[in-house]
Amino acid sequence: AQSVAQPEDQVNVAEGNPLTVKCTYSVSGNPYLFWYVQYPNRGLQFLLKYITGDNLVKGSYGFEAEFNKSQTSFHLKKPSALVSDSALYFCAVRDLNTGFQKLVFGTGTRLLVSP
Amino acid sequence: GAGVSQSPSNKVTEKGKDVELRCDPISGHTALYWYRQRLGQGLEFLIYFQGNSAPDKSGLPSDRFSAERTGESVSTLTIQRTQQEDSAVYLCASSPRLAGATVEQYFGPGTRLTVT
Repeated sequence: AQSVAQPEDQVNVAEGNPLTVKCTYSVSGNPYLFWYVQYPNRGLQFLLKYITGDNLVKGSYGFEAEFNKSQTSFHLKKPSALVSDSALYFCAVRDLNTGFQKLVFGTGTRLLVSP
Repeated sequence: GAGVSQSPSNKVTEKGKDVELRCDPISGHTALYWYRQRLGQGLEFLIYFQGNSAPDKSGLPSDRFSAERTGESVSTLTIQRTQQEDSAVYLCASSPRLAGATVEQYFGPGTRLTVT
């Protein structure tokens, strides 16, 4: 079965410092990977996706993610964190076991950026 | 509308009552998904609709849960005889269908259900 793991429940970083939110995946076949962000009392917002091509994917709000096939990872990164980046981040993989575009989500990582 | 909308935004109900949650997808999006998010947990897939195809109901946790969608429009998620463990945020998402492509989903703000 397709799955993703987010090993950190929470990541703390000071404003202006680089941030990394980790995600590893387990899939049979080619992985289709996503990052979403959830702000308080809001629905999830799409940040970026990896389908094929360059291993470094750029997305919204200055975020990027690096696909690493050998390490089966898709870590989310940003060179300089903002307090407004504080939110809940979810990694997801498309479930290829069905013909549908169902996503399997990780448990989420809470990012806290301190001023 | 500009995005996915859900109603009500909050629902408090007594144990044993039935509830109905509504989702309006983005116009033109053929795919519609329901997820459940329990406090402090990730998203749990419930059901998926794609156009007029048979829905994928594999995520529905029990026969108390059902969902309907007419064509490519509004969907309703019904929970019968609610239990306290049904308390969660219910999220709806929609996406366009692009043949051969993997597309992102657009989420609504969710309905927070509290069963007392």
